[in-house]
Amino acid sequence: DADVTQTPRNRITKTGKRIMLECSQTKGHDRMYWYRQDPGLGLRLIYYSFDVKDINKGEISDGYSVSRQAQAKFSLSLESAIPNQTALYFCATSELSGGFDSYNEQFFGPGTRLTVL
Amino acid sequence: DAKTTQPPSMDCAEGRAANLPCNHSTISGNEYVYWYRQIHSQGPQYIIHGLKNNETNEMASLIITEDRKSSTLILPHATLRDTAVYYCIPGAYQLIWGAGTKLIIKP
Repeated sequence: DADVTQTPRNRITKTGKRIMLECSQTKGHDRMYWYRQDPGLGLRLIYYSFDVKDINKGEISDGYSVSRQAQAKFSLSLESAIPNQTALYFCATSELSGGFDSYNEQFFGPGTRLTVL
Repeated sequence: DAKTTQPPSMDCAEGRAANLPCNHSTISGNEYVYWYRQIHSQGPQYIIHGLKNNETNEMASLIITEDRKSSTLILPHATLRDTAVYYCIPGAYQLIWGAGTKLIIKP
């Protein structure tokens, strides 16, 4: 089984609909992230969470909200979807290690392809 | 987290070494440099990271300049399966991802 799973893998919705993307991990990591990727571009951070009680906005949080229900689950919601939110969405996790200069690579899910009509 | 400059695309012949440069001139003294790659539209995959010394693992080697303002990822014997977008990301939390370098391995 995959360590980081995302559901759904593909979703087509209409403008104005509320959409939730879910991410689950079995790695036991404290840190979780949501990224968005538009065609031909790199990843842009939407929200990140360093533990269950910690939620931080990323570069492009407008129009999105998140919920960290448990250590293993981090959900991304689009309250009222619009066409320019059509993109590939990735969830990632990393381990909380001590110290600012500690290293910790991110582990990514397979992505959710969202289309807003 | 520091920002980076990478060439948008590079070609390399199969079997040759692929050298991917990255400029990260604003990196802080205690920030690691991480490299990931993304094959097609899959989730990015971690390759290697380093702080000051050169590093090598089963996937690649990482050369970091003495002033730490730039680094080079080396794939010693590139194969067609190494065709991907390669991202260089400095910073403890790896929160800022640029567009990366699209590496195309040619037969």
